[in-house]
Amino acid sequence: DQQVKQNSPSLSVQEGRISILNCDYTNSMFDYFLWYKKYPAEGPTFLISISSIKDKNEDGRFTVFLNKSAKHLSLHIVPSQPGDSAVYFCAAKAGGTSYGKLTFGQGTILTVHP
Amino acid sequence: GAGVSQSPRYKVAKRGQDVALRCDPISGHVSLFWYQQALGQGPEFLTYFQNEAQLDKSGLPSDRFFAERPEGSVSTLKIQRTQQEDSAVYLCASSLADPHYNQPQHFGDGTRLSIL
Repeated sequence: DQQVKQNSPSLSVQEGRISILNCDYTNSMFDYFLWYKKYPAEGPTFLISISSIKDKNEDGRFTVFLNKSAKHLSLHIVPSQPGDSAVYFCAAKAGGTSYGKLTFGQGTILTVHP
Repeated sequence: GAGVSQSPRYKVAKRGQDVALRCDPISGHVSLFWYQQALGQGPEFLTYFQNEAQLDKSGLPSDRFFAERPEGSVSTLKIQRTQQEDSAVYLCASSLADPHYNQPQHFGDGTRLSIL
């Protein structure tokens, strides 16, 4: 079963506009959520995270929103830049005895057009 | 270097051969994870080490997969009698503290394994 889902395989945005990437999850034991960015032939690079006790975390152009009742996570990038074009993965960690393993979504390809 | 280092970057092996993939985590990082990423998918968890102790190997797909971290730093993922379905990118990640502390995992660039 897919515990973390990114339902949009791709997203295309104009430079300077907002990019919104979405993620849904099913496991109520998840207590920590992360977004990673991945360029071809490179490993995922950590962008931003949020704990389940918060509903928003901001870092520069990146903001992550968490809606626990809807089990929904989103990443906002404002303003979008061509260098943001990459694959974005959301990931989640369960509390308790999960030993910290991350469960990833399938990824969303973001293309930012100049 | 400052990041997680993996070697080799690319590995081609014939079906039935054994392979060994190496991971050098960020210095001082307690936690080390291995993930497998198939084409077009997100990474999937394989195994977790806290220092030299392998605390979770629930994601290893078969007993042909074996991982070790004998001195609590460098780790090796070994695949015996490789099969074509083992073809994937193998990613290593490390984090500073044990997982009770919510900290991000930092990934290497992976080893792309192709089984012919």
